[in-house]
Amino acid sequence: KQEVTQIPAALSVPEGENLVLNCSFTDSAIYNLQWFRQDPGKGLTSLLLIQSSQREQTSGRLNASLDKSSGRSTLYIAASQPGDSATYLCAVGKAAGNKLTFGGGTRVLVKP
Amino acid sequence: DAGITQSPRHKVTETGTPVTLRCHQTENHRYMYWYRQDPGHGLRLIHYSYGVKDTDKGEVSDGYSVSRSKTEDFLLTLESATSSQTSVYFCAISESRRDGDTQYFGPGTRLTVL
Repeated sequence: KQEVTQIPAALSVPEGENLVLNCSFTDSAIYNLQWFRQDPGKGLTSLLLIQSSQREQTSGRLNASLDKSSGRSTLYIAASQPGDSATYLCAVGKAAGNKLTFGGGTRVLVKP
Repeated sequence: DAGITQSPRHKVTETGTPVTLRCHQTENHRYMYWYRQDPGHGLRLIHYSYGVKDTDKGEVSDGYSVSRSKTEDFLLTLESATSSQTSVYFCAISESRRDGDTQYFGPGTRLTVL
Protein backbone atom coordinates (compact mmCIF):
# COMPACT_ATOMS: atom_id res chain seq x y z
CA LYS A 1 0.00 0.00 0.00
CA GLN A 2 1.34 3.40 -1.01
CA GLU A 3 2.17 5.75 1.84
CA VAL A 4 2.95 9.42 1.34
CA THR A 5 4.68 11.53 3.98
CA GLN A 6 5.29 15.25 4.17
CA ILE A 7 7.78 16.58 6.67
CA PRO A 8 7.70 19.04 8.34
CA ALA A 9 4.01 19.33 9.13
CA ALA A 10 4.41 23.09 9.51
CA LEU A 11 7.02 25.75 8.92
CA SER A 12 7.34 29.48 9.23
CA VAL A 13 9.67 31.65 7.14
CA PRO A 14 10.27 35.37 6.70
CA GLU A 15 9.08 36.97 3.49
CA GLY A 16 11.59 36.68 0.66
CA GLU A 17 13.11 33.41 1.80
CA ASN A 18 12.93 30.40 -0.52
CA LEU A 19 10.60 27.59 0.55
CA VAL A 20 11.54 23.93 0.28
CA LEU A 21 8.73 21.42 0.84
CA ASN A 22 9.38 17.70 0.95
CA CYS A 23 7.26 14.72 -0.05
CA SER A 24 8.27 11.07 0.20
CA PHE A 25 6.45 7.95 -0.97
CA THR A 26 7.03 4.25 -0.37
CA ASP A 27 6.14 2.66 -3.73
CA SER A 28 8.13 3.97 -6.68
CA ALA A 29 5.71 2.51 -9.25
CA ILE A 30 3.79 5.75 -9.61
CA TYR A 31 1.80 7.15 -12.52
CA ASN A 32 2.32 10.77 -11.61
CA LEU A 33 2.73 13.16 -8.69
CA GLN A 34 0.70 16.28 -8.15
CA TRP A 35 1.23 19.26 -5.83
CA PHE A 36 -1.76 21.18 -4.48
CA ARG A 37 -2.35 24.26 -2.40
CA GLN A 38 -5.22 24.52 0.10
CA ASP A 39 -6.28 27.72 1.84
CA PRO A 40 -8.19 27.42 5.14
CA GLY A 41 -11.77 26.31 4.59
CA LYS A 42 -11.28 26.05 0.85
CA GLY A 43 -10.83 23.40 -1.81
CA LEU A 44 -7.61 22.22 -3.41
CA THR A 45 -5.88 24.17 -6.15
CA SER A 46 -3.61 22.22 -8.49
CA LEU A 47 -0.11 23.71 -8.67
CA LEU A 48 2.04 21.29 -10.63
CA LEU A 49 1.78 17.83 -12.18
CA ILE A 50 4.88 15.70 -12.75
CA GLN A 51 4.48 12.60 -14.86
CA SER A 52 6.44 9.51 -13.84
CA SER A 53 8.81 9.94 -16.80
CA GLN A 54 9.69 13.53 -15.86
CA ARG A 55 12.31 14.84 -13.44
CA GLU A 56 10.87 18.30 -12.82
CA GLN A 57 8.21 20.83 -13.68
CA THR A 58 8.21 24.60 -13.38
CA SER A 59 5.53 27.23 -13.19
CA GLY A 60 6.52 30.79 -12.36
CA ARG A 61 8.15 30.84 -8.92
CA LEU A 62 7.33 27.16 -8.39
CA ASN A 63 9.57 24.25 -9.28
CA ALA A 64 8.90 20.64 -8.42
CA SER A 65 11.38 17.80 -8.78
CA LEU A 66 10.76 14.06 -8.79
CA ASP A 67 13.19 11.25 -7.96
CA LYS A 68 11.25 8.02 -8.31
CA SER A 69 14.13 5.75 -7.34
CA SER A 70 14.47 7.39 -3.94
CA GLY A 71 10.72 7.99 -3.56
CA ARG A 72 10.97 11.75 -3.18
CA SER A 73 9.58 14.96 -4.58
CA THR A 74 10.49 18.50 -3.59
CA LEU A 75 8.51 21.67 -4.20
CA TYR A 76 10.56 24.87 -4.31
CA ILE A 77 8.88 28.25 -4.02
CA ALA A 78 11.23 31.11 -4.77
CA ALA A 79 11.14 34.46 -2.98
CA SER A 80 8.19 33.62 -0.73
CA GLN A 81 5.39 36.14 -0.15
CA PRO A 82 2.74 36.37 2.58
CA GLY A 83 0.20 35.28 -0.04
CA ASP A 84 2.02 31.93 -0.25
CA SER A 85 0.79 31.10 3.26
CA ALA A 86 -1.34 27.97 2.90
CA THR A 87 -1.20 24.21 3.29
CA TYR A 88 0.67 22.39 0.53
CA LEU A 89 -0.29 18.82 -0.28
CA CYS A 90 1.44 16.29 -2.47
CA ALA A 91 -0.40 13.34 -3.95
CA VAL A 92 0.84 10.30 -5.79
CA GLY A 93 -1.24 8.90 -8.61
CA LYS A 94 -1.68 5.25 -9.43
CA ALA A 95 -2.27 4.15 -13.01
CA ALA A 96 -5.63 2.73 -14.05
CA GLY A 97 -7.81 5.55 -12.86
CA ASN A 98 -5.27 8.06 -11.55
CA LYS A 99 -6.38 7.41 -7.97
CA LEU A 100 -4.47 9.72 -5.67
CA THR A 101 -2.85 8.95 -2.32
CA PHE A 102 -2.24 12.13 -0.36
CA GLY A 103 0.37 13.18 2.12
CA GLY A 104 -0.68 14.93 5.31
CA GLY A 105 0.40 18.34 4.03
CA THR A 106 2.80 21.05 5.15
CA ARG A 107 1.27 24.19 6.62
CA VAL A 108 3.32 27.21 5.58
CA LEU A 109 3.31 30.66 7.15
CA VAL A 110 5.23 33.44 5.42
CA LYS A 111 5.75 36.35 7.79
CA PRO A 112 5.93 39.91 6.42
CA ASP B 1 -11.56 24.68 -11.90
CA ALA B 2 -12.97 22.40 -14.62
CA GLY B 3 -16.53 23.52 -13.87
CA ILE B 4 -17.10 21.38 -10.77
CA THR B 5 -19.89 22.20 -8.37
CA GLN B 6 -20.95 20.39 -5.22
CA SER B 7 -24.28 20.52 -3.43
CA PRO B 8 -25.13 21.12 -0.73
CA ARG B 9 -22.11 23.07 0.49
CA HIS B 10 -23.04 22.57 4.14
CA LYS B 11 -25.32 20.05 5.80
CA VAL B 12 -26.17 19.10 9.33
CA THR B 13 -28.02 15.84 9.82
CA GLU B 14 -28.79 13.32 12.52
CA THR B 15 -27.39 9.86 13.05
CA GLY B 16 -29.27 7.22 11.11
CA THR B 17 -30.63 9.47 8.37
CA PRO B 18 -29.74 8.99 4.70
CA VAL B 19 -27.71 11.72 3.02
CA THR B 20 -26.89 12.27 -0.64
CA LEU B 21 -24.18 14.61 -1.86
CA ARG B 22 -24.07 15.70 -5.46
CA CYS B 23 -21.12 16.49 -7.70
CA HIS B 24 -21.74 18.10 -11.06
CA GLN B 25 -19.24 18.76 -13.84
CA THR B 26 -19.76 20.56 -17.11
CA GLU B 27 -16.90 19.27 -19.26
CA ASN B 28 -17.65 15.58 -19.89
CA HIS B 29 -14.66 14.20 -18.01
CA ARG B 30 -14.66 10.44 -17.80
CA TYR B 31 -13.14 10.03 -14.33
CA MET B 32 -14.76 11.38 -11.18
CA TYR B 33 -13.82 10.84 -7.53
CA TRP B 34 -15.11 11.33 -4.01
CA TYR B 35 -12.62 12.03 -1.20
CA ARG B 36 -13.06 12.89 2.45
CA GLN B 37 -10.74 15.10 4.45
CA ASP B 38 -10.28 14.71 8.18
CA PRO B 39 -7.76 16.14 10.65
CA GLY B 40 -5.03 13.61 11.27
CA HIS B 41 -6.01 11.48 8.26
CA GLY B 42 -5.67 13.88 5.36
CA LEU B 43 -7.55 13.23 2.15
CA ARG B 44 -8.71 9.69 1.45
CA LEU B 45 -10.45 8.22 -1.57
CA ILE B 46 -13.98 6.90 -0.95
CA HIS B 47 -15.16 5.85 -4.42
CA TYR B 48 -14.41 6.71 -7.99
CA SER B 49 -16.07 6.38 -11.38
CA TYR B 50 -14.56 5.67 -14.79
CA GLY B 51 -17.74 6.15 -16.77
CA VAL B 52 -21.52 6.07 -16.66
CA LYS B 53 -22.58 3.21 -14.37
CA ASP B 54 -18.91 2.25 -13.86
CA THR B 55 -17.72 2.75 -10.31
CA ASP B 56 -15.24 1.19 -7.92
CA LYS B 57 -14.27 1.37 -4.28
CA GLY B 58 -11.52 3.44 -2.79
CA GLU B 59 -9.66 3.23 0.49
CA VAL B 60 -12.56 4.12 2.84
CA SER B 61 -15.73 2.95 1.07
CA ASP B 62 -17.54 1.26 3.98
CA GLY B 63 -20.85 3.01 4.71
CA TYR B 64 -20.91 4.81 1.36
CA SER B 65 -22.43 4.09 -2.02
CA VAL B 66 -22.20 5.99 -5.28
CA SER B 67 -24.08 6.26 -8.53
CA ARG B 68 -23.36 7.77 -11.90
CA SER B 69 -26.31 7.68 -14.29
CA LYS B 70 -25.11 10.64 -16.37
CA THR B 71 -21.58 11.71 -17.30
CA GLU B 72 -21.97 15.03 -15.54
CA ASP B 73 -23.30 13.83 -12.17
CA PHE B 74 -21.66 11.67 -9.49
CA LEU B 75 -23.70 11.07 -6.35
CA LEU B 76 -22.37 9.96 -2.97
CA THR B 77 -24.88 8.43 -0.57
CA LEU B 78 -24.54 7.73 3.12
CA GLU B 79 -27.25 5.13 3.64
CA SER B 80 -27.42 5.68 7.40
CA ALA B 81 -25.19 8.50 8.55
CA THR B 82 -22.95 8.04 11.59
CA SER B 83 -20.95 10.56 13.59
CA SER B 84 -17.73 9.11 12.17
CA GLN B 85 -18.85 10.36 8.77
CA THR B 86 -18.67 13.97 9.90
CA SER B 87 -16.12 15.34 7.47
CA VAL B 88 -15.45 17.58 4.52
CA TYR B 89 -16.23 15.81 1.26
CA PHE B 90 -14.50 16.74 -1.97
CA CYS B 91 -15.39 15.73 -5.48
CA ALA B 92 -12.71 15.70 -8.18
CA ILE B 93 -12.34 15.04 -11.88
CA SER B 94 -9.32 13.91 -13.86
CA GLU B 95 -8.59 15.92 -16.96
CA SER B 96 -6.52 14.11 -19.56
CA ARG B 97 -4.17 16.28 -21.57
CA ARG B 98 -1.03 15.71 -23.57
CA ASP B 99 1.09 16.73 -20.58
CA GLY B 100 -0.64 14.33 -18.22
CA ASP B 101 -3.74 13.63 -16.18
CA THR B 102 -4.45 16.41 -13.68
CA GLN B 103 -7.05 16.17 -10.94
CA TYR B 104 -9.17 19.21 -10.18
CA PHE B 105 -11.26 19.52 -7.08
CA GLY B 106 -14.64 20.98 -6.27
CA PRO B 107 -15.23 23.44 -3.40
CA GLY B 108 -16.22 20.76 -0.89
CA THR B 109 -19.25 19.89 1.24
CA ARG B 110 -19.01 20.19 5.01
CA LEU B 111 -21.16 17.47 6.58
CA THR B 112 -21.93 17.29 10.28
CA VAL B 113 -23.67 14.23 11.69
CA LEU B 114 -25.08 14.81 15.17
